[in-house]
Amino acid sequence: DIQMTQSPSAMSASVGDRVTITCRASQGISNYLAWFQQKPGKVPKRLIYAASSLQSGVPSRFSGSGSGTEFTLTISSLQPEDFATYYCLQQNSYPRTFGQGTKVEIK
Amino acid sequence: EVQLVESGGGSVQPGGSLRLSCAGSGFAFSSSEMNWVRQAPGKGLEWVSYIGSSGTTIYYADSVKGRFTISRDNAKNSLNLQMNSLRAEDTAIYYCVRGAWFGDWGQGTQVTVSS
Repeated sequence: DIQMTQSPSAMSASVGDRVTITCRASQGISNYLAWFQQKPGKVPKRLIYAASSLQSGVPSRFSGSGSGTEFTLTISSLQPEDFATYYCLQQNSYPRTFGQGTKVEIK
Repeated sequence: EVQLVESGGGSVQPGGSLRLSCAGSGFAFSSSEMNWVRQAPGKGLEWVSYIGSSGTTIYYADSVKGRFTISRDNAKNSLNLQMNSLRAEDTAIYYCVRGAWFGDWGQGTQVTVSS
């Protein structure tokens, strides 16, 4: 099974900060990676698919990059509505595996 | 507009069974790959099962293999998850998710396994 390791597990940031979250796969997954945002009590929402393709309707301050085993989600200027937990998901093989999540909190 | 509506959740004792359903609308259900994903209280997301558009390709997480059965009825635009031999660790919100890229999610249905 492919293990997905996200870092950090949690972070504090201020509005306007540039935020980067990393996801590492235990083996190469090409670009078969998606990023999700989940706010408390809400359904997860896809932000990025195929490692770098922005979901329609998602603000352009979100971007994804990477290929192979290392991927990043970047929020260029953190907004109040971005405080949430973020998950990566590998879609290269079964079983599908999520990262453990990164909680972005207000500093 | 894509809609996925789960039902069938509830409370059950360990060893019991539940059958979850997901009604899809607003898209070509019979052409769509489907998944179940769950989230235990205060925990992260866990993929549970996948079924291809025709129902012939199926995968399960090791944690549910042999206990859960995924199926679909394309004539009724319905996805199902039969859950047997339930354990306390199966307690979670269960989401119906459309597509290989997990683009659309239902609101989820709560499953609680407790004595």
